[in-house]
Amino acid sequence: QKEVEQNSGPLSVPEGAIASLNCTYSDRGSQSFFWYRQYSGKSPELIMFIYSNGDKEDGRFTAQLNKASQYVSLLIRDSQPSDSATYLCAVNTRDNAGNMLTFGGGTRLMVKP
Amino acid sequence: DAGVTQSPTHLIKTRGQHVTLRCSPISGHKSVSWYQQVLGQGPQFIFQYYEKEERGRGNFPDRFSARQFPNYSSELNVNALLLGDSALYLCASSHTGGAGNTIYFGEGSWLTVV
Repeated sequence: QKEVEQNSGPLSVPEGAIASLNCTYSDRGSQSFFWYRQYSGKSPELIMFIYSNGDKEDGRFTAQLNKASQYVSLLIRDSQPSDSATYLCAVNTRDNAGNMLTFGGGTRLMVKP
Repeated sequence: DAGVTQSPTHLIKTRGQHVTLRCSPISGHKSVSWYQQVLGQGPQFIFQYYEKEERGRGNFPDRFSARQFPNYSSELNVNALLLGDSALYLCASSHTGGAGNTIYFGEGSWLTVV
């Protein structure tokens, strides 16, 4: 069974600090990796996706992928209180289940002013 | 352009009843997937449809069914509702059915079964 693991948190960081969110996955055939942000009572919002090993930066967000270690992370620089949300890591594999995302349970981030 | 639209946004049903949830994908997107998110957990894959054909099915009972229409909109049907079916049901849209596609979610349908 394909699994995606995240620390449930809460991860508490002060405003302006770097928040580091981590995710591991079990299926070595995984091809694409996504980070979604979900505010309480809302649906997941895509923040970033990454397909290749290394870093990918978009504004204050950096996604890091290490396929050998089966590890993907999200760094949020200059964290703001508005970043407080649950961050979902999702992994997409190409198999008989089609275009299926397997999600972790999410990490709750709290940014304190 | 409009994003993924879902209806209804909230609904309450009684155990044993049937529910139909509807989804319109982003214009130009041909793949629709359905996910169930129980409070406190990550979304769980239910179905994927691409070009009106089922491409994938998650580990859900046969009470769950879906279909995709020629205009690429989709319906999720759940029969014989159980209390445990109470969840946020998310529709996701992508351009094609491939694993490399970016997947966007609608606002979801909140289902409460009493």
